[in-house]
Amino acid sequence: GQQVMQIPQYQHVQEGEDFTTYCNSSTTLSNIQWYKQRPGGHPVFLIQLVKSGEVKKQKRLTFQFGEAKKNSSLHITATQTTDVGTYFCAGRGYQKVTFGTGTKLQVIP
Amino acid sequence: EAGVVQSPRYKIIEKKQPVAFWCNPISGHNTLYWYLQNLGQGPELLIRYENEEAVDDSQLPKDRFSAERLKGVDSTLKIQPAELGDSAVYLCASSKNLLGRSGTGELFFGEGSRLTVL
Repeated sequence: GQQVMQIPQYQHVQEGEDFTTYCNSSTTLSNIQWYKQRPGGHPVFLIQLVKSGEVKKQKRLTFQFGEAKKNSSLHITATQTTDVGTYFCAGRGYQKVTFGTGTKLQVIP
Repeated sequence: EAGVVQSPRYKIIEKKQPVAFWCNPISGHNTLYWYLQNLGQGPELLIRYENEEAVDDSQLPKDRFSAERLKGVDSTLKIQPAELGDSAVYLCASSKNLLGRSGTGELFFGEGSRLTVL
């Protein structure tokens, strides 16, 4: 079945440093979504990527979808304490959406 | 616009007891999902509804789990009997179909129901 892995599992950064999480699917995806889950909260939608090689930006966040539509990345520039949480990718394959394993981000002030 | 509403937020039961969770999705959202989330892991799909039809229940342990979405609006998820390993957060989500294609929109999650089985 479809599997979606994320690395790293955990990341501690000093406030102001950059952060990147990578998402890899075992199968080709039709699209990919990214979600953020704050501690004790529920996943909240960030963005959806559909096209091969697509790049989208939201302020300090940059999202990429790989050319083969099997991988994606989220990059945060100059992290802030408000960026703390777990970031999940969710890949849509044939009639299925599979969430990744998540990357937990800790930001040290 | 009201979000996805779930109840109860917390439930503590002894093993072998039954438990039920309720979800009211965002108005107008055709697709409703039930996910299970264990600590430190990503949400895992249990069942997906299109209106009142369960279109994907392949991951639902049907020996003890059941779900329904009567009238295609709110939904209940039941576990009977509960086991220790069922302790987790049960998330409900809904989405609006884009261009008539099932489940293509962003997912809106409820706050979740945290189950502890003793």
